[in-house]
Amino acid sequence: AQSVAQPEDQVNVAEGNPLTVKCTYSVSGNPYLFWYVQYPNRGLQFLLKYITGDNLVKGSYGFEAEFNKSQTSFHLKKPSALVSDSALYFCAVRDSAGRRALTFGSGTRLQVQP
Amino acid sequence: DSGVTQTPKHLITATGQRVTLRCSPRSGDLSVYWYQQSLDQGLQFLIQYYNGEERAKGNILERFSAQQFPDLHSELNLSSLELGDSALYFCASSVSAGTGGYEQFFGPGTRLTVL
Repeated sequence: AQSVAQPEDQVNVAEGNPLTVKCTYSVSGNPYLFWYVQYPNRGLQFLLKYITGDNLVKGSYGFEAEFNKSQTSFHLKKPSALVSDSALYFCAVRDSAGRRALTFGSGTRLQVQP
Repeated sequence: DSGVTQTPKHLITATGQRVTLRCSPRSGDLSVYWYQQSLDQGLQFLIQYYNGEERAKGNILERFSAQQFPDLHSELNLSSLELGDSALYFCASSVSAGTGGYEQFFGPGTRLTVL
């Protein structure tokens, strides 16, 4: 079975400060990991993914994520938050060994205060 | 804009009724996935089709069914609707059948309200 945990329902950060949204995962094999963002009344937008290779992955809108195999984590980061980054963020995982659909975490609401 | 289209945007209906949600994938994508997003259950995978054939099944109720047509658009049919079926239904598409690290691209969703 595969699963994702996003331990924080909400993260609050001041504009200009760095942000981190946490994600841990569980799969039986090697993981494919994804981050998506959802703005109000919109669908999910793909931000970035880890497939293999460099543990630091860069994505859209200045976001990056760090894959840590020993801690089974894939935290989303941004050096300087913008008010427009306020949204719902989802982490997702798929076991690379099988043909399975993505499993999504419960989502973390990011609130960036001006 | 992801390139995935869904119609209708909103749907309001009564308990016991049947509705059909429609999805057109991005050009070139052969896989279509259906998800349900609700406040209590989060984002749940329902079903996947690849090039017209069912590929994977998730937490899809027996009252729900889907199909993918030769032109690759897909329809999700929800019948004997209950209040608890009220949710946002997303369609996503991908070039992959389910293997490989390919991302999925999501449509804007259909908001279903069952009264």
